[in-house]
Amino acid sequence: EAQVTQNPRYLITVTGKKLTVTCSQNMNHEYMSWYRQDPGLGLRQIYYSMNVEVTDKGDVPEGYKVSRKEKRNFPLILESPSPNQTSLYFCASSSTRVGAGELFFGEGSRLTVL
Amino acid sequence: KQEVTQIPAALSVPEGENLVLNCSFTDSAIYNLQWFRQDPGKGLTSLLLIQSSQREQTSGRLNASLDKSSGRSTLYIAASQPGDSATYLCAVSGGSYIPTFGRGTSLIVHP
Repeated sequence: EAQVTQNPRYLITVTGKKLTVTCSQNMNHEYMSWYRQDPGLGLRQIYYSMNVEVTDKGDVPEGYKVSRKEKRNFPLILESPSPNQTSLYFCASSSTRVGAGELFFGEGSRLTVL
Repeated sequence: KQEVTQIPAALSVPEGENLVLNCSFTDSAIYNLQWFRQDPGKGLTSLLLIQSSQREQTSGRLNASLDKSSGRSTLYIAASQPGDSATYLCAVSGGSYIPTFGRGTSLIVHP
């Protein structure tokens, strides 16, 4: 089954404690992206990757890091989480082939930073 | 920079009505347009994907149209049901490939 898998789905942590949210897709997609969703602000892109070893900043990259060492994985790293990073996070992926381009989303990771 | 607007922001209708949700975008040089459904606190589920060369796509009671020249897409929901209650988002991908999302239309269908 084609899917984007995020872990953990729920996490409560404290300020300053490094954490990683993993994202994996099984569709051999080139494009992967991280979003955060907050009430009244919609979906905002954090980082994206067009392929292995190619990453770029989205609209709200501050406080986040990513890496794309393998095509299937795109982890989101919060080196020193702060309460303003409490949010619902989504990973997404799609193919960049002509005629494709359907964007698939993970189920989301709800993060609370105390 | 591409901007995507969805109107209305919220909609409440009785069961059985036919609905039209609107999505407009500022840059007509798009690669594709995709409609999603999102239930509260859940992930986004893809409903329909329209490539730039297409005019419409249909899936069951859903029909999405695309008019690039006017920068508009509509999502038509026939014979609405309470289970259709959700937020509907559209996303437009342009030359950079990076999708731009609208803020969504929150739909409530009451029995």
